[in-house]
Amino acid sequence: LAKTTQPISMDSYEGQEVNITCSHNNIATNDYITWYQQFPSQGPRFIIQGYKTKVTNEVASLFIPADRKSSTLSLPRVSLSDTAVYYCLVGDMNNNAGNMLTFGGGTRLMVKP
Amino acid sequence: KAGVTQTPRYLIKTRGQQVTLSCSPISGHRSVSWYQQTPGQGLQFLFEYFSETQRNKGNFPGRFSGRQFSNSRSEMNVSTLELGDSALYLCASSPRDSTEAFFGQGTRLTVV
Repeated sequence: LAKTTQPISMDSYEGQEVNITCSHNNIATNDYITWYQQFPSQGPRFIIQGYKTKVTNEVASLFIPADRKSSTLSLPRVSLSDTAVYYCLVGDMNNNAGNMLTFGGGTRLMVKP
Repeated sequence: KAGVTQTPRYLIKTRGQQVTLSCSPISGHRSVSWYQQTPGQGLQFLFEYFSETQRNKGNFPGRFSGRQFSNSRSEMNVSTLELGDSALYLCASSPRDSTEAFFGQGTRLTVV
């Protein structure tokens, strides 16, 4: 499983765009990149997933360069409620070994008023 | 559609006791995974069940076990509890082999 590296923490202010970058130098051909969000004392929540280029949904955008060795989660116009831990995961969606997610340390995002 | 339900939400046990935690997946989801989250170790994979069979197991001692029933509901059991087992135990269900997992609220276990 590809290991991921992301900043331990980030601070932002309400209304700003936040970009969290994740490094995954050993990403394999079949690996997808997935981001989860976790609030204190709750389970993680799926945010977005992508394989290459750019993916956008109602919550965030995910930018993946051509070499796929890194990815950037972009949160537009954050609010106080976006204060959470954000996890970047890399895994093979096509393997039949089951759903075994490997979480790293995550990035603790603090949004200030 | 109801989400993943874990019971109980909070639990206090004494060292040496055993505990059973329950997880009801989202209807139609056949894969159920369990995770342990502690401040020191973060989120760690315990095991995963699919159609009543354990498909994957994390690096935890044999005191941690689980099972899945024919209706996909799952239980995990921890025997001979230790203080270090105090953690948030999370269950996740998935509709297929995917990295999109749906997590429950967790069970906060405190061992005293």
